[in-house]
Amino acid sequence: KAGVTQTPRYLIKTRGQQVTLSCSPISGHRSVSWYQQTPGQGLQFLFEYFSETQRNKGNFPGRFSGRQFSNSRSEMNVSTLELGDSALYLCASSPGTTSYNEQFFGPGTRLTVL
Amino acid sequence: AQSVTQLDSHVSVSEGTPVLLRCNYSSSYSPSLFWYVQHPNKGLQLLLKYTSAATLVKGINGFEAEFKKSETSFHLTKPSAHMSDAAEYFCVVFGSARQLTFGSGTQLTVLP
Repeated sequence: KAGVTQTPRYLIKTRGQQVTLSCSPISGHRSVSWYQQTPGQGLQFLFEYFSETQRNKGNFPGRFSGRQFSNSRSEMNVSTLELGDSALYLCASSPGTTSYNEQFFGPGTRLTVL
Repeated sequence: AQSVTQLDSHVSVSEGTPVLLRCNYSSSYSPSLFWYVQHPNKGLQLLLKYTSAATLVKGINGFEAEFKKSETSFHLTKPSAHMSDAAEYFCVVFGSARQLTFGSGTQLTVLP
């Protein structure tokens, strides 16, 4: 099976712009989670989607949003970018059918905000 | 609430010597615990997981970890380090918050 794919791999934006990141989960996986990784804050949970519904949410401002499509592909959007949004954004997928399944991570999207 | 503390931000070992990466957790719910590894410019890979079965968990590449509830610890060990083990290691808890909470990471350096 193909792994989790994320596009694009690298992005450069300027403050105030918005950005959309995409994640394609492993075939058959219905849960997609998003994480932000920065040197200062480490790895932090953003949100989880399961069957097109947000199932859990981390402690991030409303500028961070996401959605999931019927084919389980997911997008996350960050509006009004700030310098502090520069990070590696990781997507992970899992079957999602029990309280916890192993999560499989994609390579990430490196976002740089200038 | 749930949290994870990785006690060492950097660990250096010589090739062929044992590895010990320390992790303590806190969870008000019976937790699941994991160790993930991240090589440079690569995604996170699951090394091993504890989900309330055997307390000694064996993972990939010769790694293992022991769940000690009385000490709230889940330390990662390997008998003999290899150069390819050099990477960043994350201890992760899935507990009362029903989401993954990552430790701050331990950078493992393996010296020739």
